[in-house]
Amino acid sequence: DTAVSQTPKYLVTQMGNDKSIKCEQNLGHDTMYWYKQDSKKFLKIMFSYNNKELIINETVPNRFSPKSPDKAHLNLHINSLELGDSAVYFCASSQSLNQPQHFGDGTRLSIL
Amino acid sequence: GQQLNQSPQSMFIQEGEDVSMNCTSSSIFNTWLWYKQDPGEGPVLLIALYKAGELTSNGRLTAQFGITRKDSFLNISASIPSDVGIYFCAGQAGANSKLTFGKGITLSVRP
Repeated sequence: DTAVSQTPKYLVTQMGNDKSIKCEQNLGHDTMYWYKQDSKKFLKIMFSYNNKELIINETVPNRFSPKSPDKAHLNLHINSLELGDSAVYFCASSQSLNQPQHFGDGTRLSIL
Repeated sequence: GQQLNQSPQSMFIQEGEDVSMNCTSSSIFNTWLWYKQDPGEGPVLLIALYKAGELTSNGRLTAQFGITRKDSFLNISASIPSDVGIYFCAGQAGANSKLTFGKGITLSVRP
């Protein structure tokens, strides 16, 4: 059983479009995260939610809007996609903010 | 902001050799984590360290939380081909602070 699952695995779309990435965890964790990994493999946190509440919001363009309908799900909606948004986006979860994080397999977003 | 330094960017070793990687910071962290990322997958937790001086093993992997709380190292003994991947260190400064990642070291193992 997949602990942290993201869909889709691959997303190819044109500049200017709006897209969403979904994430679900079946670990019973309270905290979920979105990370962006660039072409140099650098992992940077974007957002964190604890029990559906936003607790970390790094300097991310407001075209990116996370939504947590319940504590097992954290989705990421991106408006007006730009070329620089091309990256791998990872969802992660942890029991709480100070517990180790478990990652999904990533969503590879390519902007044409 | 906080930064973690991992170098070199790439390491090449022969199968069977031991390899050591370290991670340094200019600021103190209270938790150190080591992750491995295989191609096409997400990072997988290898070892978590919570106390200065702590030495923890996971099979052929051993990691230590530096006494100064500004560094950590990971040692892999008797390397095998499946050890190939990117090894990230990560640190957390406080109980409710974000996790900061190093830039990763890409390990190649020659058979």
